[in-house]
Amino acid sequence: GESVGLHLPTLSVQEGDNSIINCAYSNSASDYFIWYKQESGKGPQFIIDIRSNMDKRQGQRVTVLLNKTVKHLSLQIAATQPGDSAVYFCADRSGTYKYIFGTGTRLKVLA
Amino acid sequence: DTEVTQTPKHLVMGMTNKKSLKCEQHMGHRAMYWYKQKAKKPPELMFVYSYEKLSINESVPSRFSPECPNSSLLNLHLHALQPEDSALYLCASSQIQLGANVLTFGAGSRLTVL
Repeated sequence: GESVGLHLPTLSVQEGDNSIINCAYSNSASDYFIWYKQESGKGPQFIIDIRSNMDKRQGQRVTVLLNKTVKHLSLQIAATQPGDSAVYFCADRSGTYKYIFGTGTRLKVLA
Repeated sequence: DTEVTQTPKHLVMGMTNKKSLKCEQHMGHRAMYWYKQKAKKPPELMFVYSYEKLSINESVPSRFSPECPNSSLLNLHLHALQPEDSALYLCASSQIQLGANVLTFGAGSRLTVL
């Protein structure tokens, strides 16, 4: 389930299930989007990216979907594993250097 | 070398101290960034340097002073900080070209201001 408020939104999934993490962005001029994974005590780690001229991109066990009409991005993780437990952020770019991060979602994988 | 290295990993300082955070990359990236991250929050953009020149300053207080001595190094000088400045400071770098430029992050410097 999800919880909001003072804490990060949290998504809890059973090991082996698929996870879907959502992100909304506000700038319609954003042309490039990145998903990052951040584990406790570490910097954000690149997962997958997508340019605004695409609506879907697949990697190994991950898929990113982009809906520019509603300014929405999602990250799908197939067969979620305990090592996927982390906080996930989307980032969008407007201009050459301005990368802005979304709120973030904590993914908890239940054994 | 595909890493961004940040030092120190942890820093504790008083409000009257002067200290510096350092960042280094050898990937040939010509854009370097400072982000600030508070607990349970996303990274917030502070500064961007491109070709060693300051391109973006997100209205950061002057008690934070960035410096880019060369294309591989980025510093953040700290002076007269407040306790609310305690946070994880992340450095990142990227290429400068049309298209997809992934930000590569370091592990961060965790700053505590007493």
